[in-house]
Amino acid sequence: DQQVKQNSPSLSVQEGRISILNCDYTNSMFDYFLWYKKYPAEGPTFLISISSIKDKNEDGRFTVFLNKSAKHLSLHIVPSQPGDSAVYFCAARGFIQGAQKLVFGQGTRLTINP
Amino acid sequence: GAVVSQHPSWVICKSGTSVKIECRSLDFQATTMFWYRQFPKQSLMLMATSNEGSKATYEQGVEKDKFLINHASLTLSTLTVTSAHPEDSSFYICSARDLGVGGAGDQPQHFGDGTRLSIL
Repeated sequence: DQQVKQNSPSLSVQEGRISILNCDYTNSMFDYFLWYKKYPAEGPTFLISISSIKDKNEDGRFTVFLNKSAKHLSLHIVPSQPGDSAVYFCAARGFIQGAQKLVFGQGTRLTINP
Repeated sequence: GAVVSQHPSWVICKSGTSVKIECRSLDFQATTMFWYRQFPKQSLMLMATSNEGSKATYEQGVEKDKFLINHASLTLSTLTVTSAHPEDSSFYICSARDLGVGGAGDQPQHFGDGTRLSIL
């Protein structure tokens, strides 16, 4: 049962344009959502997060939008830069089986073309 | 910012060998650390939650006797893959959350760089 889903395994965007990565979740009890960026053979790096009581959080080029009614969040990167090429994971935090845990999506590989 | 160091980054060993992976929080104390496993092109799957001074909590389907976790101090957790076999080959990643700043509320988990384990 995949509680967090990233339905696009890959995305290719032109440098300077906007990159939009999407994530859907099924558990309405998740209270926090995070986006991580991952390069090969490295651990994920935290990018940006959003509380379930908000609908938008912005940090520089990165903005996360949360639509609770649709159980959907998205990460916008604008303008996209070649260094943004990586795998992006969305994660949701919730109490599962008595403990606070992060549940990750499958990841989306973003490629920024010069 | 918070840094989590994981060692070794890459291990190749023979079937039947036990392998220990260390995870350290370098500039903060972590009462709780997490161990994940990632198969190629798949998501990070939580294996267990490591609690300082007490037993680890394992996720369903993860063998406790196979994956031994020790969290002896506030900055160190170890994962030992005992009698490793080729099916244990994977990318193992630890993470920790800095509870020292603002409490448990909104602090993100910070991840180590992972350990690529290859069992021949």
